[in-house]
Amino acid sequence: DAGVIQSPRHEVTEMGQEVTLRCKPISGHNSLFWYRQTMMRGLELLIYFNNNVPIDDSGMPEDRFSAKMPNASFSTLKIQPSEPRDSAVYFCASSPGIRGADTQYFGPGTRLTVL
Amino acid sequence: GIQVEQSPPDLILQEGANSTLRCNFSDSVNNLQWFHQNPWGQLINLFYIPSGTKQNGRLSATTVATERYSLLYISSSQTTDSGVYFCAAGFTGGFKTIFGAGTRLFVKA
Repeated sequence: DAGVIQSPRHEVTEMGQEVTLRCKPISGHNSLFWYRQTMMRGLELLIYFNNNVPIDDSGMPEDRFSAKMPNASFSTLKIQPSEPRDSAVYFCASSPGIRGADTQYFGPGTRLTVL
Repeated sequence: GIQVEQSPPDLILQEGANSTLRCNFSDSVNNLQWFHQNPWGQLINLFYIPSGTKQNGRLSATTVATERYSLLYISSSQTTDSGVYFCAAGFTGGFKTIFGAGTRLFVKA
């Protein structure tokens, strides 16, 4: 298996622009997670999907952030409009279990820079 | 609130030395994982260990759920072990996975 795939790997954009991050989980996994990593706040869970349904989005920082999972093999995280404080590494992870109670496999991350 | 605390925050070892990293968590868990983030930023799952002991080569982990802590042992450390080690816990009755702040390890040749 190719593992969790994320694109793009790097994104540089200007404040106010829309940013879309993409994730392809490992085939057969039931759960998908979006995380954000910054120096100040460490690794934070943004949203968790189980069987394509958003279960917990309490970590999404503001209404500017939205996430979708239209099918079992694809998810997006969108920021509109982007701000410089959104600069971070965004990770997608998938897991074969439910309720997060299983090994999570991380993608390589997308490094986002908002100027 | 729910907390995951790791110690020590930083660790420098001479190649070949052994070390123990600790993770304390504040509530009952249904999920406890250890990750290694290498210098290129990749997060690699080392252990899924909500309870008990597991070993994988030079690494082993023990979680004592009743006392709310987990330990990661690294034996005969190598320079490639350098990076940040994270503990992540999922708490009973919830969905969130909460990461500790990590232990930054540097192994000198």
